[in-house]
Amino acid sequence: DTGVSQDPRHKITKRGQNVTFRCDPISEHNRLYWYRQTLGQGPEFLTYFQNEAQLEKSRLLSDRFSAERPKGSFSTLEIQRTEQGDSAMYLCASSYSQGRETQYFGPGTRLLVL
Amino acid sequence: QKEVEQNSGPLSVPEGAIASLNCTYSDRVSQSFFWYRQYSGKSPELIMSIYSNGDKEDGRFTAQLNKASQYVSLLIRDSQPSDSATYLCAVNVRDDKIIFGKGTRLHILP
Repeated sequence: DTGVSQDPRHKITKRGQNVTFRCDPISEHNRLYWYRQTLGQGPEFLTYFQNEAQLEKSRLLSDRFSAERPKGSFSTLEIQRTEQGDSAMYLCASSYSQGRETQYFGPGTRLLVL
Repeated sequence: QKEVEQNSGPLSVPEGAIASLNCTYSDRVSQSFFWYRQYSGKSPELIMSIYSNGDKEDGRFTAQLNKASQYVSLLIRDSQPSDSATYLCAVNVRDDKIIFGKGTRLHILP
């Protein structure tokens, strides 16, 4: 069990550029979650997948955000036309649907939009 | 709006003392409760889960749950400087979703 991995760990971009983040969940986990966390706040839910199906998107997730999990394994989160307000830590977590919803987090991707 | 409330702190506790962290939640049907520890600049790390009323102990950590009062707490015995972190309380709002409090910052004084 290698844990949840995320790539890149840090990203600095200019306003208006597109960015894409990747998450690889724990191998036997069928649920994958994306969260955003800003300073002094807890993780805020963005979206989640069960296998390859995206089952929920938060109202926080504007049309500039899109997530995919094409084969039910890794997932990508893309932000188009980034804004300074997108600067945050983007966290991925995974869980197993028979496991009482215990979520395990990856190391996160810290995004800074200049 | 389902909520999880925590005192943001900072909570300062002398080394070797007991740290007590508290959390209340609004959804009466919640069944799963979690405590995560988060060091500055790092991601949350699961330290305890609890599902039944009462106490659950794991090493120096004890989670306490009172569903009637919609209250969950975390006790850390023999606090160490390495326990200084933000502690996040998380509660399930349905089978496949949990929500987090804002966290309590804990500072252990050497």
